Amino acid sequence: SYVLTQPPSVSVAPGNTAVMTCGGDNIGGQTVHWYQHKPGQAPVVVIFYDTDRPSGISERFSGSKSGNTATLTISRVEGADEAAYYCQGWESRSDHVVFGGGTKLTVL
Amino acid sequence: QVQLRESGPGLVKPSQTLSLTCAVFGGSIRSDDYFWNWIRQPAGKALEWIGRLYPSGTTKYNPSFKSRVTMSLDTSKNQFSLKLISVTAADTAVYYCVREGGLFRSGSYSPAGWFDPWGLGALVTVSS
Repeated sequence: SYVLTQPPSVSVAPGNTAVMTCGGDNIGGQTVHWYQHKPGQAPVVVIFYDTDRPSGISERFSGSKSGNTATLTISRVEGADEAAYYCQGWESRSDHVVFGGGTKLTVL
Repeated sequence: QVQLRESGPGLVKPSQTLSLTCAVFGGSIRSDDYFWNWIRQPAGKALEWIGRLYPSGTTKYNPSFKSRVTMSLDTSKNQFSLKLISVTAADTAVYYCVREGGLFRSGSYSPAGWFDPWGLGALVTVSS
């Protein structure tokens, strides 16, 4: 199946590390991309192709993938990082696009 | 920097047609290396990919929408559009227009599978 599962919420204190997961049975066969979405703003890609960071995105954002799980890590978390984060998978051969349900990151 | 802006009615009656337009600023929709998409998000639910427009005007739709959706390019106005027929309350959502980059392979560009930038989104409510 192409279902991606994300925890609904993650909370972290400023300066600490936030880890958000995205699980799926066939995630190994997909490329995974991550988006940050703040209220009233357009979603922004923060990681593409599992680990690549677009220009202009802080190096505090990193992505990884292992087994059935992709992970977005934000180090040295700041208040401005508070947002919803969505993972998206793309299986190139079938051209299938799927999104996870999103994780709300709260900075304590 | 490319910007996208959605526009269209915010309220549509059940069984009627939802129509949205996406204006593209700062870039041409005729570029061979970009593709144009619609994505939606019902309240409290996951984002859902609706479909893609190729620079040629060719379309690729999510099978979940295929029988109801039409997307098209208007190169004269540098915009693209979405039409969804026979709407129900389940089609109430924020609709985003989104650009997708391309990968150069075998002499042409193919979709890259990730989306940037996004428009701000347009809330469409289906209600009588």
